[in-house]
Amino acid sequence: EAGVAQSPRYKIIEKRQSVAFWCNPISGHATLYWYQQILGQGPKLLIQFQNNGVVDDSQLPKDRFSAERLKGVDSTLKIQPAKLEDSAVYLCASSARLAGGSFGTDTQYFGPGTRLTVL
Amino acid sequence: GEDVEQSLFLSVREGDSSVINCTYTDSSSTYLYWYKQEPGAGLQLLTYIFSNMDMKQDQRLTVLLNKKDKHLSLRIADTQTGDSAIYFCAEKGSGAGSYQLTFGKGTKLSVIP
Repeated sequence: EAGVAQSPRYKIIEKRQSVAFWCNPISGHATLYWYQQILGQGPKLLIQFQNNGVVDDSQLPKDRFSAERLKGVDSTLKIQPAKLEDSAVYLCASSARLAGGSFGTDTQYFGPGTRLTVL
Repeated sequence: GEDVEQSLFLSVREGDSSVINCTYTDSSSTYLYWYKQEPGAGLQLLTYIFSNMDMKQDQRLTVLLNKKDKHLSLRIADTQTGDSAIYFCAEKGSGAGSYQLTFGKGTKLSVIP
């Protein structure tokens, strides 16, 4: 079974530029998550999708961050414009959770992440 | 809000046991997880425990949960140099829509050959 794919793996931009990250979850997984991991910290959830709908985006800085999952499979996360403090690793994860179903552990599987450096 | 605390560093000799500790504040946590992160890589799920369990063993890994004290530990038996990594404790709440995981800052395990 293929894992969660992310691209690019690394990105360096200058502040005020825009950047986009792409994620392809594990096949069949209904739920997709974007996390931000600042150096020395644990991952922090930015946004969660179930199929193509947003479940939780309470910690997403909506003035500059946006995300979509139009067809309920792949997702993109965009930052526009970037700030220095956005330098972090952006992790995508997916889980099999289905609306109305029995979730069990709802284990989240993580991709390798995209390391963003804002200069 | 929920909080998860871990010690930041642990150093052990190869062949010894490692014990990584974690405390959490959300008494309604349903599942608690241990993830491993190697340099430049994403998080790899090691094991998890349901909140009504006290212990779970999986090969070299033993998870102990003290729900009263909200304390979770991960014991790695016969620690190897390949176990060197950052280990994250995470908890998941039980409220409606509480799908998100709350992570600690991670414990960096260094294994001395």
